[in-house]
Amino acid sequence: DAKTTQPPSMDCAEGRAANLPCNHSTISGNEYVYWYRQIHSQGPQYIIHGLKNNETNEMASLIITEDRKSSTLILPHATLRDTAVYYCIPQDSGTYKYIFGTGTRLKVLA
Amino acid sequence: SQTIHQWPATLVQPVGSPLSLECTVEGTSNPNLYWYRQAAGRGLQLLFYSVGIGQISSEVPQNLSASRPQDRQFILSSKKLLLSDSGFYLCAWSRDRGEKLFFGSGTQLSVL
Repeated sequence: DAKTTQPPSMDCAEGRAANLPCNHSTISGNEYVYWYRQIHSQGPQYIIHGLKNNETNEMASLIITEDRKSSTLILPHATLRDTAVYYCIPQDSGTYKYIFGTGTRLKVLA
Repeated sequence: SQTIHQWPATLVQPVGSPLSLECTVEGTSNPNLYWYRQAAGRGLQLLFYSVGIGQISSEVPQNLSASRPQDRQFILSSKKLLLSDSGFYLCAWSRDRGEKLFFGSGTQLSVL
Protein backbone atom coordinates (compact mmCIF):
# COMPACT_ATOMS: atom_id res chain seq x y z
CA ASP A 1 0.00 0.00 0.00
CA ALA A 2 1.18 3.51 -0.81
CA LYS A 3 2.31 5.71 2.04
CA THR A 4 1.29 9.34 2.28
CA THR A 5 2.83 12.54 3.56
CA GLN A 6 0.64 15.41 4.67
CA PRO A 7 1.56 18.57 6.57
CA PRO A 8 0.53 18.14 10.20
CA SER A 9 -1.35 21.43 10.36
CA MET A 10 -2.54 24.38 8.29
CA ASP A 11 -4.48 27.58 8.85
CA CYS A 12 -6.86 29.21 6.42
CA ALA A 13 -8.84 32.43 6.62
CA GLU A 14 -12.59 32.09 6.48
CA GLY A 15 -13.92 32.62 2.96
CA ARG A 16 -10.59 31.84 1.33
CA ALA A 17 -9.70 28.67 -0.50
CA ALA A 18 -8.03 25.96 1.55
CA ASN A 19 -5.52 23.90 -0.40
CA LEU A 20 -4.48 20.71 1.35
CA PRO A 21 -1.57 18.82 -0.22
CA CYS A 22 -0.81 15.13 -0.06
CA ASN A 23 2.24 13.31 -1.33
CA HIS A 24 1.74 9.69 -2.37
CA SER A 25 4.79 9.08 -4.50
CA THR A 26 4.58 5.26 -4.21
CA ILE A 27 0.97 5.03 -5.35
CA SER A 28 0.23 2.15 -7.71
CA GLY A 29 -1.81 2.26 -10.88
CA ASN A 30 -4.75 0.52 -9.19
CA GLU A 31 -4.99 2.89 -6.25
CA TYR A 32 -7.55 5.65 -6.06
CA VAL A 33 -6.89 8.72 -3.91
CA TYR A 34 -9.58 9.14 -1.26
CA TRP A 35 -10.05 12.10 1.04
CA TYR A 36 -11.92 12.06 4.34
CA ARG A 37 -12.25 14.59 7.11
CA GLN A 38 -12.87 14.20 10.83
CA ILE A 39 -14.46 16.92 12.82
CA HIS A 40 -13.58 16.77 16.51
CA SER A 41 -15.22 13.86 18.37
CA GLN A 42 -17.02 12.59 15.29
CA GLY A 43 -16.44 9.77 12.83
CA PRO A 44 -14.58 10.58 9.61
CA GLN A 45 -16.66 11.70 6.65
CA TYR A 46 -15.96 10.88 3.01
CA ILE A 47 -15.23 13.94 0.88
CA ILE A 48 -14.10 12.93 -2.60
CA HIS A 49 -11.96 10.47 -4.52
CA GLY A 50 -10.24 10.18 -7.89
CA LEU A 51 -7.93 8.03 -9.97
CA LYS A 52 -6.31 10.20 -12.64
CA ASN A 53 -8.63 13.03 -13.54
CA ASN A 54 -9.50 16.02 -11.44
CA GLU A 55 -12.79 15.67 -9.63
CA THR A 56 -15.29 18.10 -8.16
CA ASN A 57 -18.36 17.66 -6.02
CA GLU A 58 -20.48 19.82 -3.75
CA MET A 59 -17.91 19.65 -0.97
CA ALA A 60 -14.54 20.04 -2.67
CA SER A 61 -12.28 19.68 -5.68
CA LEU A 62 -9.49 17.16 -6.07
CA ILE A 63 -6.48 17.88 -8.24
CA ILE A 64 -4.23 14.91 -9.01
CA THR A 65 -0.88 15.52 -10.71
CA GLU A 66 -0.27 13.87 -14.04
CA ASP A 67 2.28 11.46 -12.54
CA ARG A 68 -0.22 10.73 -9.70
CA LYS A 69 2.47 11.18 -7.09
CA SER A 70 0.62 13.95 -5.31
CA SER A 71 -2.79 15.50 -4.99
CA THR A 72 -4.43 18.60 -3.55
CA LEU A 73 -7.81 18.87 -1.94
CA ILE A 74 -9.37 22.28 -2.45
CA LEU A 75 -12.13 23.71 -0.28
CA PRO A 76 -13.07 26.72 -2.41
CA HIS A 77 -14.58 28.92 0.30
CA ALA A 78 -13.57 27.64 3.71
CA THR A 79 -15.94 28.17 6.62
CA LEU A 80 -15.42 27.71 10.34
CA ARG A 81 -17.26 24.38 10.04
CA ASP A 82 -14.48 23.09 7.80
CA THR A 83 -12.10 23.04 10.77
CA ALA A 84 -11.17 19.36 10.97
CA VAL A 85 -8.45 16.78 10.38
CA TYR A 86 -8.19 15.87 6.68
CA TYR A 87 -6.93 12.45 5.64
CA CYS A 88 -5.57 11.48 2.24
CA ILE A 89 -5.70 7.71 1.60
CA PRO A 90 -4.57 5.81 -1.48
CA GLN A 91 -7.01 2.93 -1.79
CA ASP A 92 -6.62 -0.13 -3.96
CA SER A 93 -9.93 -1.35 -5.38
CA GLY A 94 -8.81 -4.91 -4.66
CA THR A 95 -8.15 -4.57 -0.95
CA TYR A 96 -10.39 -4.59 2.10
CA LYS A 97 -8.03 -2.63 4.36
CA TYR A 98 -8.19 1.14 4.73
CA ILE A 99 -5.12 2.59 6.42
CA PHE A 100 -5.39 6.14 7.73
CA GLY A 101 -2.33 8.28 8.37
CA THR A 102 -2.22 11.19 10.80
CA GLY A 103 -3.73 13.70 8.36
CA THR A 104 -3.62 17.50 8.28
CA ARG A 105 -5.30 19.49 11.01
CA LEU A 106 -6.95 22.43 9.23
CA LYS A 107 -7.99 25.38 11.31
CA VAL A 108 -10.22 27.94 9.62
CA LEU A 109 -9.79 31.35 11.21
CA ALA A 110 -12.50 34.00 11.47
CA SER B 1 -30.86 5.01 2.64
CA GLN B 2 -28.12 3.36 4.64
CA THR B 3 -27.40 4.20 8.24
CA ILE B 4 -24.90 2.97 10.79
CA HIS B 5 -25.65 2.87 14.49
CA GLN B 6 -23.01 2.62 17.17
CA TRP B 7 -23.54 2.62 20.92
CA PRO B 8 -22.97 3.67 23.58
CA ALA B 9 -21.62 7.14 22.82
CA THR B 10 -19.53 7.24 25.99
CA LEU B 11 -18.45 4.55 28.41
CA VAL B 12 -16.41 4.57 31.59
CA GLN B 13 -15.18 1.18 32.72
CA PRO B 14 -12.83 0.00 35.47
CA VAL B 15 -9.66 -1.89 34.64
CA GLY B 16 -10.31 -5.61 34.43
CA SER B 17 -13.97 -5.28 33.49
CA PRO B 18 -15.43 -6.73 30.28
CA LEU B 19 -16.39 -4.70 27.22
CA SER B 20 -19.00 -5.04 24.52
CA LEU B 21 -19.52 -2.40 21.85
CA GLU B 22 -22.15 -2.95 19.20
CA CYS B 23 -22.49 -1.62 15.69
CA THR B 24 -25.35 -2.21 13.27
CA VAL B 25 -25.88 -1.15 9.68
CA GLU B 26 -29.28 -0.63 8.10
CA GLY B 27 -30.35 -0.36 4.49
CA THR B 28 -27.74 -2.58 2.88
CA SER B 29 -26.81 -6.23 2.80
CA ASN B 30 -23.47 -8.00 3.09
CA PRO B 31 -21.47 -4.90 3.99
CA ASN B 32 -17.79 -5.00 4.84
CA LEU B 33 -17.50 -3.96 8.48
CA TYR B 34 -14.64 -2.34 10.35
CA TRP B 35 -13.54 -1.40 13.86
CA TYR B 36 -11.03 1.41 14.32
CA ARG B 37 -9.53 2.90 17.47
CA GLN B 38 -8.22 6.41 17.90
CA ALA B 39 -6.08 7.25 20.91
CA ALA B 40 -6.21 10.85 22.12
CA GLY B 41 -4.59 13.15 19.55
CA ARG B 42 -3.60 10.28 17.30
CA GLY B 43 -4.65 8.81 13.96
CA LEU B 44 -7.05 5.95 13.29
CA GLN B 45 -5.79 2.44 13.88
CA LEU B 46 -7.54 -0.41 12.07
CA LEU B 47 -8.38 -3.16 14.59
CA PHE B 48 -10.63 -5.64 12.79
CA TYR B 49 -12.54 -6.03 9.60
CA SER B 50 -15.12 -8.52 8.39
CA VAL B 51 -16.26 -9.41 4.89
CA GLY B 52 -19.04 -11.76 5.98
CA ILE B 53 -20.82 -13.46 8.88
CA GLY B 54 -18.33 -15.17 11.13
CA GLN B 55 -15.34 -13.91 9.10
CA ILE B 56 -13.03 -11.70 11.14
CA SER B 57 -9.60 -10.40 10.21
CA SER B 58 -7.46 -9.01 13.02
CA GLU B 59 -4.95 -6.32 12.23
CA VAL B 60 -3.31 -5.69 15.58
CA PRO B 61 -2.68 -8.27 18.33
CA GLN B 62 -4.27 -6.89 21.46
CA ASN B 63 -6.66 -7.36 24.28
CA LEU B 64 -9.73 -7.13 22.03
CA SER B 65 -11.78 -9.43 19.86
CA ALA B 66 -14.54 -8.95 17.32
CA SER B 67 -17.51 -10.99 16.20
CA ARG B 68 -20.10 -10.76 13.45
CA PRO B 69 -23.09 -12.85 14.51
CA GLN B 70 -25.41 -11.38 11.88
CA ASP B 71 -24.91 -9.84 8.45
CA ARG B 72 -25.21 -6.25 9.62
CA GLN B 73 -24.01 -6.55 13.21
CA PHE B 74 -20.43 -6.14 14.36
CA ILE B 75 -19.38 -6.46 18.00
CA LEU B 76 -16.13 -5.47 19.68
CA SER B 77 -15.35 -7.22 22.95
CA SER B 78 -12.81 -7.62 25.68
CA LYS B 79 -12.78 -9.99 28.64
CA LYS B 80 -10.60 -7.72 30.78
CA LEU B 81 -9.99 -4.10 29.91
CA LEU B 82 -6.58 -2.48 30.28
CA LEU B 83 -5.81 1.20 30.80
CA SER B 84 -4.33 1.23 27.30
CA ASP B 85 -7.70 0.26 25.83
CA SER B 86 -8.97 3.80 26.41
CA GLY B 87 -9.77 5.64 23.22
CA PHE B 88 -12.35 6.58 20.64
CA TYR B 89 -13.77 3.49 18.93
CA LEU B 90 -15.29 3.81 15.49
CA CYS B 91 -17.30 1.36 13.47
CA ALA B 92 -17.46 1.72 9.69
CA TRP B 93 -18.84 -0.06 6.65
CA SER B 94 -18.31 -0.16 2.91
CA ARG B 95 -20.32 -1.73 0.08
CA ASP B 96 -17.36 -3.48 -1.44
CA ARG B 97 -13.60 -3.56 -1.17
CA GLY B 98 -11.96 -0.35 -2.20
CA GLU B 99 -15.16 1.67 -1.97
CA LYS B 100 -15.70 4.59 0.37
CA LEU B 101 -16.15 4.07 4.06
CA PHE B 102 -19.12 5.25 6.09
CA PHE B 103 -18.40 5.78 9.78
CA GLY B 104 -20.53 5.64 12.87
CA SER B 105 -20.52 8.38 15.48
CA GLY B 106 -18.06 6.57 17.73
CA THR B 107 -17.78 5.45 21.35
CA GLN B 108 -15.47 7.30 23.73
CA LEU B 109 -14.15 4.65 26.12
CA SER B 110 -12.34 5.62 29.30
CA VAL B 111 -10.77 2.82 31.31
CA LEU B 112 -9.96 3.91 34.86
